[in-house]
Amino acid sequence: GIQVEQSPPDLILQEGANSTLRCNFSDSVNNLQWFHQNPWGQLINLFYIPSGTKQNGRLSATTVATERYSLLYISSSQTTDSGVYFCAVEQGGSEKLVFGKGTKLTVNP
Amino acid sequence: SAVISQKPSRDICQRGTSLTIQCQVDSQVTMMFWYRQQPGQSLTLIATANQGSEATYESGFVIDKFPISRPNLTFSTLTVSNMSPEDSSIYLCMGLGPGETQYFGPGTRLLVL
Repeated sequence: GIQVEQSPPDLILQEGANSTLRCNFSDSVNNLQWFHQNPWGQLINLFYIPSGTKQNGRLSATTVATERYSLLYISSSQTTDSGVYFCAVEQGGSEKLVFGKGTKLTVNP
Repeated sequence: SAVISQKPSRDICQRGTSLTIQCQVDSQVTMMFWYRQQPGQSLTLIATANQGSEATYESGFVIDKFPISRPNLTFSTLTVSNMSPEDSSIYLCMGLGPGETQYFGPGTRLLVL
């Protein structure tokens, strides 16, 4: 099956810093999403981005489908950005998501 | 956007017992899924909950261990049977809504002693 690799596995930032999270995938995909799991376990969909670039406030994401990677940018990080960021992909219209192992982000005040 | 609720939010159970988790969606979704997240790990798909028929299980998951029901478009249950400590995880329900947007429930945190 498809492999999804995220890097870095852990990231510690000071408030106000910028960061880039990466997601590599091993095969072509129909769908790619970025999720944020807060410390209470709730998963929030950040971006649905099979290709191209999208921005939402301090967050933006870019997927280069031909090169099989996606990037999530966090600017001016805040303590509330802490949590685990997951990349998930879907193949072949199955609607099933395959998740990467996540990047655990800690933003210190 | 669809709102998904799960019950219970957490539970502590003894090994050998079973727990049924409920998932309720506030609007109709086309598909519902159950995921497991073991401690410190990523999410793994258990099965697709099919309305009115048997669920479709992923490799490594079987109906006897994780029976699933979906009697209508907005409700599903997952039972974790004959539990062992290895079943300690967060169990999440996911619904596929309009525009193929995925919505996750808040999860059920299960600890098996």
